[in-house]
Amino acid sequence: ETGVTQTPRHLVMGMTNKKSLKCEQHLGHNAMYWYKQSAKKPLELMFVYSLEERVENNSVPSRFSPECPNSSHLFLHLHTLQPEDSALYLCASSQDRGSGIVSHEQYFGPGTRLTVT
Amino acid sequence: QKEVEQNSGPLSVPEGAIASLNCTYSDRGSQSFFWYRQYSGKSPELIMSIYSNGDKEDGRFTAQLNKASQYVSLLIRDSQPSDSATYLCASKFSGGGNKLTFGTGTQLKVEL
Repeated sequence: ETGVTQTPRHLVMGMTNKKSLKCEQHLGHNAMYWYKQSAKKPLELMFVYSLEERVENNSVPSRFSPECPNSSHLFLHLHTLQPEDSALYLCASSQDRGSGIVSHEQYFGPGTRLTVT
Repeated sequence: QKEVEQNSGPLSVPEGAIASLNCTYSDRGSQSFFWYRQYSGKSPELIMSIYSNGDKEDGRFTAQLNKASQYVSLLIRDSQPSDSATYLCASKFSGGGNKLTFGTGTQLKVEL
C-alpha cells in the first residue's frame, strides 16, 4: 500500500464503548497528526507526533488518547465519547526534519467517519 | 488568534472558465501556504504548495502569493465539472512548529 491508510473507515459506537482508530503511513515521514473535521468548521488539529514524541495537544478531552509506537503508526484510543464527538477523524503525515529535507506538506489518509450513539 | 479566512461560497463557474479562489491570513510571518481539494465525503488532497511571492503553476492550477497583502489565491483554468469540490487553504504560521492552520474552505461548483 502507498500513502496514508486508516482503519476502520466507518465506526459506530455507543457512549460506553472503547475503540481505537489506526493510521499507517508508507511515505517515510517522521511526523504524524490527528485532526477532527466537523461540518461547517475548519479542520481541528488534535495531536501532533514528531519523531515519535507528542509535540502538541490542543486541549483535547482526555476521552481521546493518542499513541505513536513508531514513526509509521499512529493510534487514537476512544472511550466514553459523547454524541458531539461524531465527526470525520483524519490522520496526516509530513516530513518534519532530519535527512536535510523539511517539508510542511501534510498528506491525509481517507479518514474514519465516527458516529457516537 | 492566528487565522486563515476564506469565503465559504459556493462559487459557481461555467465549464471552461477560470475559477479564482482566495484566501487571506493573519500572520505576517507565515512562510508556507497550501491548497487542498476535498471532495464530499473524502479526505483533503494536497494540490499546491507555495512558499515565495509570485505565481507557481502546475498544469491547470496556478497558486499566487502576495505576502505584503497577506493574500494567497488559487486559479483553476479550463474548469471541469470534476473540479467541483471544497478547496481548503492552509498556512504554516511562524513559530507554529508543525502546525498548519486551515480555513473553512470554499465550495466550488463547475456547471455544464
